[in-house]
Amino acid sequence: DIQMTQSPSSLSASVGDRVTITCRASQSIGRFLNWYQQRPGQAPQVLIYAASSLQSGVPSRFSGSGSGTDFTLTISSLQPEDFATYYCQQSYSSLRNTFGQGTKLEIK
Amino acid sequence: QVQLVESGGGVVRPGGSLRLSCAASGFTFSNYGMHWVRQAPDKGLEWVAVIYYDGSNQYYADSVKGRFTISRDNSKNTLYLQMNSLRAEDTAVYYCARNLDSRGYYYFDYWGQGTLVTVSS
Repeated sequence: DIQMTQSPSSLSASVGDRVTITCRASQSIGRFLNWYQQRPGQAPQVLIYAASSLQSGVPSRFSGSGSGTDFTLTISSLQPEDFATYYCQQSYSSLRNTFGQGTKLEIK
Repeated sequence: QVQLVESGGGVVRPGGSLRLSCAASGFTFSNYGMHWVRQAPDKGLEWVAVIYYDGSNQYYADSVKGRFTISRDNSKNTLYLQMNSLRAEDTAVYYCARNLDSRGYYYFDYWGQGTLVTVSS
């Protein structure tokens, strides 16, 4: 199975900060990489698919980049509602999806 | 609007069985592949299983293969997960999620609210 590794595992930041989360795949996955946000007590929701495509309805402060094995999720200016846990997911092996371990974004 | 509503969770003893359901509405259910994803308490997301739009194929995570069965009834717009030989490590919130294919790129665009399964003696 393709392993996905996120860094950091947790991150403290302030409202208005620019934040970057990294995801690395154990093998090349092209652009088959998705990002999800999960707020406490809620189901995950997709932010970015195909590495850099913004899901409809998601604020433009979220952006994704990368290809191959290295990917990033960037939040350009943190808002209070952005404090949540973020997961990357590879869909290269669409019949055996795998998620990263998550990055918890906390208020400093 | 698209809705996915899971049910069937509860407390079960180790070795027991449980069947989860996911009722879909607001879209043509028979056009979409569907997944189950679980999340153990205070842990990350773990993909569990997928079923094709027509039920013709199913795939499973190694951790549940041989014990869990994913199925669907397109006439009832409902997805199922039959869980047998349950273990303590199967304790989790179970989510159903819709698979969307956007020009060959797959992702989960809608999720249910989840149903909690607790395996304990």
